[in-house]
Amino acid sequence: TQLLEQSPQFLSIQEGENLTVYCNSSSVFSSLQWYRQEPGEGPVLLVTVVTGGEVKKLKRLTFQFGDARKDSSLHITAAQPGDTGLYLCAGSYNTDKLIFGTGTRLQVFP
Amino acid sequence: NAGVTQTPKFRILKIGQSMTLQCTQDMNHNYMYWYRQDPGMGLKLIYYSVGAGITDKGEVPNGYNVSRSTTEDFPLRLELAAPSQTSVYFCASSYSYTQHFGDGTRLSIL
Repeated sequence: TQLLEQSPQFLSIQEGENLTVYCNSSSVFSSLQWYRQEPGEGPVLLVTVVTGGEVKKLKRLTFQFGDARKDSSLHITAAQPGDTGLYLCAGSYNTDKLIFGTGTRLQVFP
Repeated sequence: NAGVTQTPKFRILKIGQSMTLQCTQDMNHNYMYWYRQDPGMGLKLIYYSVGAGITDKGEVPNGYNVSRSTTEDFPLRLELAAPSQTSVYFCASSYSYTQHFGDGTRLSIL
């Protein structure tokens, strides 16, 4: 059973557009992380959010943790071709074990 | 620091063959993990370890075995390879909830 559903599954946009990726669960997580994975490489951590309602910004990326700690979103402003990759959310139940989401594959065209 | 190193990068096996995927980390992390990533999917946890001498099953452990004799090494063993085990395998280590991944082993069972 997949506990973390991401949407959309695929996203293909032009450079300069904005986008939002969603990560939803019926479970409450103690923390939630976002990873980015490029072809032929392992995932790399972008951010960790731990407090309900928390918003974190990383340059053009904005991450939000839902108030109930069941969902999260990733918003990218003015997407660049370098943002292309697989974005994965991952939830934790107060341990180092993570439950990974289904992934969103983003393609940004010049 | 090399981080997490996985070998081999690619391997083709025949059905019924066995092999060991190697994983070593030089960050002195206690926690280590093995995941598999199937096309279009997120990562599923196979086995994990919270320290030398301690291992536990993850979400999809059937057909795999692990050992953790040292802090640095966490090999994954496939005893009787089956086509369903065709996947990309990632090893990770963690400290304080941040997981560091290797670049993966792409395994095909024919």
